[in-house]
Amino acid sequence: ETGVTQTPRHLVMGMTNKKSLKCEQHLGHNAMYWYKQSAKKPLELMFVYNFKEQTENNSVPSRFSPECPNSSHLFLHLHTLQPEDSALYLCASSQEDRPADTQYFGPGTRLTVL
Amino acid sequence: GQNIDQPTEMTATEGAIVQINCTYQTSGFNGLFWYQQHAGEAPTFLSYNVLDGLEEKGRFSSFLSRSKGYSYLLLKELQMKDSASYLCAVRPSRGNQGGKLIFGQGTELSVKP
Repeated sequence: ETGVTQTPRHLVMGMTNKKSLKCEQHLGHNAMYWYKQSAKKPLELMFVYNFKEQTENNSVPSRFSPECPNSSHLFLHLHTLQPEDSALYLCASSQEDRPADTQYFGPGTRLTVL
Repeated sequence: GQNIDQPTEMTATEGAIVQINCTYQTSGFNGLFWYQQHAGEAPTFLSYNVLDGLEEKGRFSSFLSRSKGYSYLLLKELQMKDSASYLCAVRPSRGNQGGKLIFGQGTELSVKP
């Protein structure tokens, strides 16, 4: 049973919509991550937060806006997305953002942009 | 650049042994992870190697050779439930990479009766 939950599990949105993805971890971790998983492509890191501070932005377009109000919650705000942004968006958390810290993943949000 | 290579697909028989290879070229090395991902589910942690050698955990073992930039995941006594995608991921040196994990594309393993 994963300690990382994500809502919604599925989302369909138009290119002009604004929506938000939510992630919550119940593991007492201090680092949280957003990943994008497209079909037939490797998992791609988008953002890293460590103790609520953003420490990594992997050249992500500004139409994706992360928010980390506390160490347990992470949001990804979406606006004016493109069809090629359709993918599985995975959230993960780890004790801290250290090399040996294992990342634990949520089940993901399957996003379809029409 | 950073590169992780693993086979796209593999097929094996129930009860057999299968080895999934992973080679990497990264700017430094700070550990290698293996994850299992069933279709439509979250990746789940299998193993972590940072020193050369074999780490055994039940039916699963993982091997690392840093000098060769090479790892493998060994699955013994295969079961049907082992059918999944297996993801290899490397942490480059901390430097300006922060906590970034570089993932391979995953190896889709099919276990047949």
